[in-house]
Amino acid sequence: QKEVEQNSGPLSVPEGAIASLNCTYSDRGSQSFFWYRQYSGKSPELIMSIYSNGDKEDGRFTAQLNKASQYVSLLIRDSQPSDSATYLCAVNRNRGSTLGRLYFGRGTQLTVWP
Amino acid sequence: DGGITQSPKYLFRKEGQNVTLSCEQNLNHDAMYWYRQDPGQGLRLIYYSQIVNDFQKGDIAEGYSVSREKKESFPLTVTSAQKNPTAFYLCASLGRGRAGANVLTFGAGSRLTVL
Repeated sequence: QKEVEQNSGPLSVPEGAIASLNCTYSDRGSQSFFWYRQYSGKSPELIMSIYSNGDKEDGRFTAQLNKASQYVSLLIRDSQPSDSATYLCAVNRNRGSTLGRLYFGRGTQLTVWP
Repeated sequence: DGGITQSPKYLFRKEGQNVTLSCEQNLNHDAMYWYRQDPGQGLRLIYYSQIVNDFQKGDIAEGYSVSREKKESFPLTVTSAQKNPTAFYLCASLGRGRAGANVLTFGAGSRLTVL
């Protein structure tokens, strides 16, 4: 079983719609959860982090965490063509320590069409 | 500005040659990482280092070597033993972000092509 799993997509939504990206993880002891956006040919950039159960909102982005179900999701409201990218989910067992490593999913490719 | 600098951005290598990719950070982060990314694939961990003079193998360490002589620097050598080295290589460091939690920051990447 992979540590972190994402639907590879591609996910295609029209401009203005809500895009929903999902991620599941296997390690129940995981403490930190991240969503990275990666444009083609570029390096990943952090867009959201979440550490507690529930929702966390930042502008058009909402991260949702359910530790009991080992599930984390990213909602993008009012999707724009500039949101077209690959979204990577990452999970870490640690929060306050820099020990250990992050585990990445394979990413979900999102296309927002005008 | 603090950040991670990778060089070169593009590199071409002939088969049988070793090449070294540079990674320097001025974020004062202890932990540094090297990932490999192939087209349409996620990130695969090659090596990581949590402290100077110490490093651990990741999931795909064969054919690669690293050193960590200084906190700021974590160079990666792609040796001739690496069977399929053409890929996008990403260096990252892990340090405290907001809320005291650790956050991984990436360099711009180095694209290696074997001719």
